[in-house]
Amino acid sequence: QVQLVESGGGVVQPGRSLRLSCAASGFTFSSYGMHWVRQAPGKGLEWVAVIWYDGSNKYYADSVKGRFTISRDNSKNTLYLQMNSLRAEDTAVYYCARDCSGGSCYPHDAFDIWGQGTMVTVSS
Amino acid sequence: SSELTQDPAVSVALGQTVRITCQGDSLRSYYASWYQQKPGQAPVLVIYGKNNRPSGIPDRFSGSSSGNTASLTITGAQAEDEADYYCNSRDSRVYVFGTGTKVTVL
Repeated sequence: QVQLVESGGGVVQPGRSLRLSCAASGFTFSSYGMHWVRQAPGKGLEWVAVIWYDGSNKYYADSVKGRFTISRDNSKNTLYLQMNSLRAEDTAVYYCARDCSGGSCYPHDAFDIWGQGTMVTVSS
Repeated sequence: SSELTQDPAVSVALGQTVRITCQGDSLRSYYASWYQQKPGQAPVLVIYGKNNRPSGIPDRFSGSSSGNTASLTITGAQAEDEADYYCNSRDSRVYVFGTGTKVTVL
């Protein structure tokens, strides 16, 4: 079945780095744009970054621009989020989500498939 | 940066109708999508585009839009609809989520 599975979360000290992965299965990964969305404990959803289906374009929220890098390996059906210079305010559950604007939701923007999330805690 | 504003909380009697609104400048150019999130779970897409429901979403969920405001309506709310609801919109090359609305079914 269509599935996204995140991994790579954990506890990290402020200023350090962490890389998250999102493994996709059950669909043609290389045909879809992908997003990272995060949710701090007890807070709302915050969009983090998007990467186009072919990796040609990437865009970021102002809160992570210059520190986080989104990437993908279509040969491995995997999405990544490299997080550098981590801060306490980056503590959150990080979700990857599929953008269906090029598929079932065309031409509209929406996130139709979500992973279960991986927790990142930035603390000394 | 763009913002989408939602009422923090609303309540609805079982079987009645509730409307959740989302306001923001980006909604003048882009449709909102709506997500339901229950405690400890990932969000689920319930409405996208003008008024489209993904497969498996009950038809009691509907969407509408006018000017800078998008709305999600639950007609005949059920106990299982109690959840947090978030709108989302594109804003040029980035995306933004609304502040979220907690729906309580009485």
